[in-house]
Amino acid sequence: DAGITQSPRHKVTETGTPVTLRCHQTENHRYMYWYRQDPGHGLRLIHYSYGVKDTDKGEVSDGYSVSRSKTEDFLLTLESATSSQTSVYFCAISESGRGTGKRGETQYFGPGTRLLVL
Amino acid sequence: GDSVTQMEGPVTLSEEAFLTINCTYTATGYPSLFWYVQYPGEGLQLLLKATKADDKGSNKGFEATYRKETTSFHLEKGSVQVSDSAVYFCALQGGSEKLVFGKGTKLTVNP
Repeated sequence: DAGITQSPRHKVTETGTPVTLRCHQTENHRYMYWYRQDPGHGLRLIHYSYGVKDTDKGEVSDGYSVSRSKTEDFLLTLESATSSQTSVYFCAISESGRGTGKRGETQYFGPGTRLLVL
Repeated sequence: GDSVTQMEGPVTLSEEAFLTINCTYTATGYPSLFWYVQYPGEGLQLLLKATKADDKGSNKGFEATYRKETTSFHLEKGSVQVSDSAVYFCALQGGSEKLVFGKGTKLTVNP
């Protein structure tokens, strides 16, 4: 299994509070991703990173920010949590990504964080 | 933009039945196609993939063939087991590193 951990695994918070989720990898992979999983929507990309301090928006980035100060850590922050952000959040990593000529790059997923915003 | 449509579930089968989960896609160019599986309480893991037309991906008895003419990547297994109960996601990767997922199909296999 790819070495990906997420913390916390479960969190309950109140509307309006800030929340930070952490993804940690031991694979030294360049690309890291944050997804949210909701019934009827599958997985949707929130933000991704293609290197230290290099990040970009995904499909559903509003209300979220990210930071990557080290190769191994990718943080997702909900600045002011809302009930619509109740979801299961998955981190993923991939080795190289765009521009390398590698087609079909596999993404490896963490175990997920279940977030409930009351 | 790129999109994936997969059959809605849930799908309930008896052990040793034949499984097909349909997946079609819309994309520009020549995407890579994937099936990911999510077992209860876990993250997603790659089941199989194909990177060009007519490629067949296979793993654990599952197969899917990249059909460009029908823009499809249907998942099949000849004889399902209880342990195959999971949610299955079809996904594509187009011209960028991003994956686009279908909504998932929940499979339950009864003994």
